[in-house]
Amino acid sequence: DTGVSQDPRHKITKRGQNVTFRCDPISEHNRLYWYRQTLGQGPEFLTYFQNEAQLEKSRLLSDRFSAERPKGSFSTLEIQRTEQGDSAMYLCASSLGATLDGYTFGSGTRLTVV
Amino acid sequence: GEDVEQSLFLSVREGDSSVINCTYTDSSSTYLYWYKQEPGAGLQLLTYIFSNMDMKQDQRLTVLLNKKDKHLSLRIADTQTGDSAIYFCAETSGYSTLTFGKGTMLLVSP
Repeated sequence: DTGVSQDPRHKITKRGQNVTFRCDPISEHNRLYWYRQTLGQGPEFLTYFQNEAQLEKSRLLSDRFSAERPKGSFSTLEIQRTEQGDSAMYLCASSLGATLDGYTFGSGTRLTVV
Repeated sequence: GEDVEQSLFLSVREGDSSVINCTYTDSSSTYLYWYKQEPGAGLQLLTYIFSNMDMKQDQRLTVLLNKKDKHLSLRIADTQTGDSAIYFCAETSGYSTLTFGKGTMLLVSP
Protein backbone atom coordinates (compact mmCIF):
# COMPACT_ATOMS: atom_id res chain seq x y z
CA ASP A 1 0.00 0.00 0.00
CA THR A 2 1.37 3.40 -0.99
CA GLY A 3 -0.54 5.48 1.53
CA VAL A 4 -3.32 7.98 0.89
CA SER A 5 -3.49 9.09 -2.76
CA GLN A 6 -5.13 12.26 -4.00
CA ASP A 7 -5.86 13.24 -7.56
CA PRO A 8 -5.22 15.67 -9.13
CA ARG A 9 -2.29 17.30 -7.33
CA HIS A 10 -3.11 20.68 -8.80
CA LYS A 11 -6.24 22.12 -10.36
CA ILE A 12 -6.73 25.56 -11.88
CA THR A 13 -10.31 26.45 -12.73
CA LYS A 14 -12.29 29.48 -13.72
CA ARG A 15 -14.75 30.97 -11.26
CA GLY A 16 -18.16 29.38 -11.66
CA GLN A 17 -16.91 26.02 -12.90
CA ASN A 18 -17.41 22.74 -11.05
CA VAL A 19 -14.47 20.67 -9.86
CA THR A 20 -14.16 17.17 -8.42
CA PHE A 21 -11.30 15.72 -6.42
CA ARG A 22 -10.62 12.08 -5.64
CA CYS A 23 -9.09 10.45 -2.60
CA ASP A 24 -7.99 6.83 -2.27
CA PRO A 25 -7.37 5.96 1.38
CA ILE A 26 -5.18 3.22 2.80
CA SER A 27 -7.08 0.09 1.88
CA GLU A 28 -7.81 -1.24 5.36
CA HIS A 29 -8.80 2.16 6.78
CA ASN A 30 -12.53 2.53 7.36
CA ARG A 31 -12.51 6.27 8.16
CA LEU A 32 -11.86 8.95 5.59
CA TYR A 33 -11.61 12.68 6.27
CA TRP A 34 -11.54 15.85 4.18
CA TYR A 35 -9.79 18.97 5.42
CA ARG A 36 -9.14 22.33 3.78
CA GLN A 37 -5.97 24.35 4.32
CA THR A 38 -5.62 27.96 3.19
CA LEU A 39 -2.32 29.82 3.05
CA GLY A 40 -0.85 30.45 6.47
CA GLN A 41 -3.52 28.44 8.28
CA GLY A 42 -3.79 25.02 9.74
CA PRO A 43 -6.09 22.40 8.20
CA GLU A 44 -9.79 22.88 8.92
CA PHE A 45 -12.19 19.97 9.12
CA LEU A 46 -14.79 19.63 6.37
CA THR A 47 -16.35 16.19 6.69
CA TYR A 48 -15.67 12.55 7.47
CA PHE A 49 -16.95 9.10 6.56
CA GLN A 50 -16.98 5.83 8.36
CA ASN A 51 -17.23 3.26 5.62
CA GLU A 52 -19.82 4.71 3.23
CA ALA A 53 -21.69 6.75 5.85
CA GLN A 54 -21.00 10.48 6.12
CA LEU A 55 -21.01 10.96 9.88
CA GLU A 56 -20.12 14.61 10.36
CA LYS A 57 -20.05 17.78 8.29
CA SER A 58 -18.54 21.13 9.25
CA ARG A 59 -20.45 24.36 8.83
CA LEU A 60 -17.61 25.25 6.40
CA LEU A 61 -19.14 22.75 3.99
CA SER A 62 -21.60 25.02 2.19
CA ASP A 63 -24.34 23.78 -0.12
CA ARG A 64 -21.90 24.05 -3.02
CA PHE A 65 -19.76 21.29 -1.55
CA SER A 66 -20.67 17.61 -1.66
CA ALA A 67 -18.67 14.57 -0.68
CA GLU A 68 -19.35 10.93 -1.35
CA ARG A 69 -17.82 7.59 -0.51
CA PRO A 70 -20.16 5.26 -2.36
CA LYS A 71 -18.57 1.89 -1.68
CA GLY A 72 -16.66 2.72 1.45
CA SER A 73 -13.36 2.88 -0.41
CA PHE A 74 -12.40 5.97 -2.44
CA SER A 75 -14.10 9.32 -1.90
CA THR A 76 -14.87 12.32 -4.09
CA LEU A 77 -15.26 15.95 -3.09
CA GLU A 78 -17.14 18.14 -5.55
CA ILE A 79 -17.32 21.92 -5.46
CA GLN A 80 -19.99 23.49 -7.62
CA ARG A 81 -19.90 27.07 -8.94
CA THR A 82 -16.40 27.65 -7.59
CA GLU A 83 -15.52 31.00 -6.03
CA GLN A 84 -12.11 32.59 -5.52
CA GLY A 85 -12.47 31.95 -1.80
CA ASP A 86 -12.45 28.21 -2.53
CA SER A 87 -8.77 28.43 -3.49
CA ALA A 88 -6.98 26.22 -0.99
CA MET A 89 -5.24 22.90 -0.45
CA TYR A 90 -7.78 20.12 0.01
CA LEU A 91 -6.37 17.36 2.18
CA CYS A 92 -7.69 13.86 2.54
CA ALA A 93 -6.77 11.58 5.41
CA SER A 94 -7.71 8.10 6.55
CA SER A 95 -7.56 6.09 9.73
CA LEU A 96 -8.50 2.70 11.09
CA GLY A 97 -11.19 3.50 13.58
CA ALA A 98 -10.87 6.42 15.98
CA THR A 99 -8.05 8.91 15.74
CA LEU A 100 -6.20 7.71 18.81
CA ASP A 101 -2.88 7.46 16.99
CA GLY A 102 -3.60 10.08 14.35
CA TYR A 103 -4.52 10.03 10.71
CA THR A 104 -2.47 9.38 7.60
CA PHE A 105 -2.72 12.36 5.27
CA GLY A 106 -2.42 12.47 1.51
CA SER A 107 -0.33 15.09 -0.28
CA GLY A 108 -3.39 17.17 -1.05
CA THR A 109 -5.00 18.76 -4.09
CA ARG A 110 -4.18 22.44 -4.57
CA LEU A 111 -7.12 24.31 -6.09
CA THR A 112 -6.68 27.73 -7.66
CA VAL A 113 -9.81 29.55 -8.78
CA VAL A 114 -9.11 32.37 -11.24
CA GLY B 1 -15.40 26.79 20.17
CA GLU B 2 -12.09 25.02 20.52
CA ASP B 3 -8.96 26.98 19.73
CA VAL B 4 -5.31 26.01 19.32
CA GLU B 5 -2.62 28.70 19.36
CA GLN B 6 1.00 28.50 18.28
CA SER B 7 3.82 30.95 17.80
CA LEU B 8 4.30 31.54 14.09
CA PHE B 9 8.06 31.34 13.62
CA LEU B 10 11.18 29.86 15.22
CA SER B 11 14.74 30.11 13.97
CA VAL B 12 17.57 27.97 15.37
CA ARG B 13 21.06 26.93 14.41
CA GLU B 14 21.88 23.39 13.38
CA GLY B 15 22.75 21.25 16.40
CA ASP B 16 20.75 23.37 18.85
CA SER B 17 17.50 22.24 20.48
CA SER B 18 14.20 23.61 19.19
CA VAL B 19 11.16 24.09 21.38
CA ILE B 20 7.79 24.71 19.74
CA ASN B 21 4.93 25.72 21.99
CA CYS B 22 1.17 25.32 21.72
CA THR B 23 -1.80 26.25 23.90
CA TYR B 24 -5.31 24.93 23.58
CA THR B 25 -8.62 25.82 25.13
CA ASP B 26 -10.68 22.62 25.08
CA SER B 27 -10.47 21.11 28.56
CA SER B 28 -11.96 17.86 27.26
CA SER B 29 -9.08 17.25 24.86
CA THR B 30 -8.05 13.63 25.07
CA TYR B 31 -5.24 13.34 22.57
CA LEU B 32 -2.79 15.96 21.39
CA TYR B 33 -0.67 15.64 18.27
CA TRP B 34 2.31 17.13 16.51
CA TYR B 35 2.38 17.04 12.71
CA LYS B 36 5.11 18.17 10.32
CA GLN B 37 4.46 19.68 6.89
CA GLU B 38 7.17 20.22 4.32
CA PRO B 39 6.58 22.58 1.36
CA GLY B 40 3.94 21.30 -1.06
CA ALA B 41 3.36 18.15 0.96
CA GLY B 42 0.69 16.71 3.21
CA LEU B 43 1.00 16.38 6.95
CA GLN B 44 3.20 13.76 8.59
CA LEU B 45 2.34 12.60 12.09
CA LEU B 46 5.39 13.01 14.34
CA THR B 47 4.07 12.02 17.73
CA TYR B 48 1.07 12.20 20.00
CA ILE B 49 0.34 12.21 23.72
CA PHE B 50 -2.66 11.13 25.73
CA SER B 51 -4.04 13.72 28.12
CA ASN B 52 -3.24 11.68 31.24
CA MET B 53 0.46 11.76 30.43
CA ASP B 54 2.80 14.65 31.07
CA MET B 55 5.76 13.60 28.95
CA LYS B 56 6.56 11.39 26.01
CA GLN B 57 9.96 10.84 24.42
CA ASP B 58 10.56 9.39 20.98
CA GLN B 59 14.17 9.51 19.79
CA ARG B 60 15.00 13.21 19.24
CA LEU B 61 11.46 14.33 20.07
CA THR B 62 10.18 15.13 23.56
CA VAL B 63 6.58 16.17 24.15
CA LEU B 64 5.64 17.91 27.39
CA LEU B 65 2.02 18.40 28.42
CA ASN B 66 0.85 20.72 31.19
CA LYS B 67 -2.84 19.89 31.34
CA LYS B 68 -3.57 22.45 34.05
CA ASP B 69 -2.28 25.29 31.86
CA LYS B 70 -3.39 23.57 28.61
CA HIS B 71 0.13 23.93 27.28
CA LEU B 72 1.89 21.50 24.96
CA SER B 73 5.47 21.69 23.75
CA LEU B 74 7.62 19.80 21.26
CA ARG B 75 11.36 19.71 21.81
CA ILE B 76 13.59 18.59 18.95
CA ALA B 77 17.08 17.72 20.10
CA ASP B 78 20.11 18.23 17.83
CA THR B 79 18.03 20.05 15.21
CA GLN B 80 19.06 19.40 11.62
CA THR B 81 18.46 21.40 8.43
CA GLY B 82 16.07 18.63 7.35
CA ASP B 83 13.87 19.54 10.30
CA SER B 84 13.02 22.86 8.62
CA ALA B 85 9.25 22.71 8.06
CA ILE B 86 5.95 23.87 9.49
CA TYR B 87 4.90 22.12 12.69
CA PHE B 88 1.24 21.85 13.62
CA CYS B 89 -0.22 21.16 17.02
CA ALA B 90 -3.64 19.47 16.97
CA GLU B 91 -6.12 18.19 19.52
CA THR B 92 -9.15 15.97 19.60
CA SER B 93 -11.80 15.42 22.21
CA GLY B 94 -14.23 13.31 20.22
CA TYR B 95 -12.02 10.65 18.69
CA SER B 96 -12.94 11.85 15.22
CA THR B 97 -12.06 15.34 14.08
CA LEU B 98 -8.85 17.22 14.83
CA THR B 99 -8.53 20.93 15.56
CA PHE B 100 -5.23 22.33 14.32
CA GLY B 101 -3.24 25.41 15.20
CA LYS B 102 -1.96 27.73 12.47
CA GLY B 103 1.45 26.14 12.52
CA THR B 104 4.96 27.18 13.54
CA MET B 105 7.53 27.61 10.79
CA LEU B 106 10.89 26.23 11.96
CA LEU B 107 13.93 27.47 10.10
CA VAL B 108 17.21 25.70 10.81
CA SER B 109 20.34 27.47 9.65
CA PRO B 110 23.71 25.72 9.15
